[in-house]
Amino acid sequence: DTGVSQDPRHKITKRGQNVTFRCDPISEHNRLYWYRQTLGQGPEFLTYFQNEAQLEKSRLLSDRFSAERPKGSFSTLEIQRTEQGDSAMYLCASRPDYPSGTDTQYFGPGTRLTVL
Amino acid sequence: QKEVEQNSGPLSVPEGAIASLNCTYSDRVSQSFFWYRQYSGKSPELIMSIYSNGDKEDGRFTAQLNKASQYVSLLIRDSQPSDSATYLCAVNTQGGSEKLVFGKGMKLTVNP
Repeated sequence: DTGVSQDPRHKITKRGQNVTFRCDPISEHNRLYWYRQTLGQGPEFLTYFQNEAQLEKSRLLSDRFSAERPKGSFSTLEIQRTEQGDSAMYLCASRPDYPSGTDTQYFGPGTRLTVL
Repeated sequence: QKEVEQNSGPLSVPEGAIASLNCTYSDRVSQSFFWYRQYSGKSPELIMSIYSNGDKEDGRFTAQLNKASQYVSLLIRDSQPSDSATYLCAVNTQGGSEKLVFGKGMKLTVNP
């Protein structure tokens, strides 16, 4: 257990429904990342927060995706009008900002999304 | 496009052997390199980080970095069946988000 938690761990939904995932990073970590991992691939970057500011978004993050980190603590990732291609493991990672030293990202357990 | 390439697998070794996993990266300015282990259905777990050219040892694991060749590797000595997992090479992009770029992963099976 890295100290990063995600909820839910599994989500099964029907195509067209909206889903929301939550990530609680390690408490002193300012930086929070979302990644997506499909079968047989490494994780791919989706978006990055420094405190409450969303500073970078991947082109993978279509208009149907939105992420927030309202108070610089937990973060949510929402997918609207889900498609079967959204089926993946959604991973959250966090790390401290400089000068705390480490640039190691610690991953939560992930949320596995299945879109039927 | 910044890329991380891992040689194709899967890799199968007998228990007690040395497993060697390799990775190349395209961005010459990269400074931080990581190996993560991922068991089936689980999230990535950090094994090693390496920042300087040369070797870094931690127990049965040794990471090797050669920035001139843009090459990083992981050696697992005395492989155990519990080492059977997918190993992901990751490189930290410099500046801005410092997001990780991952390779596709190498599936390792250690046979008893």
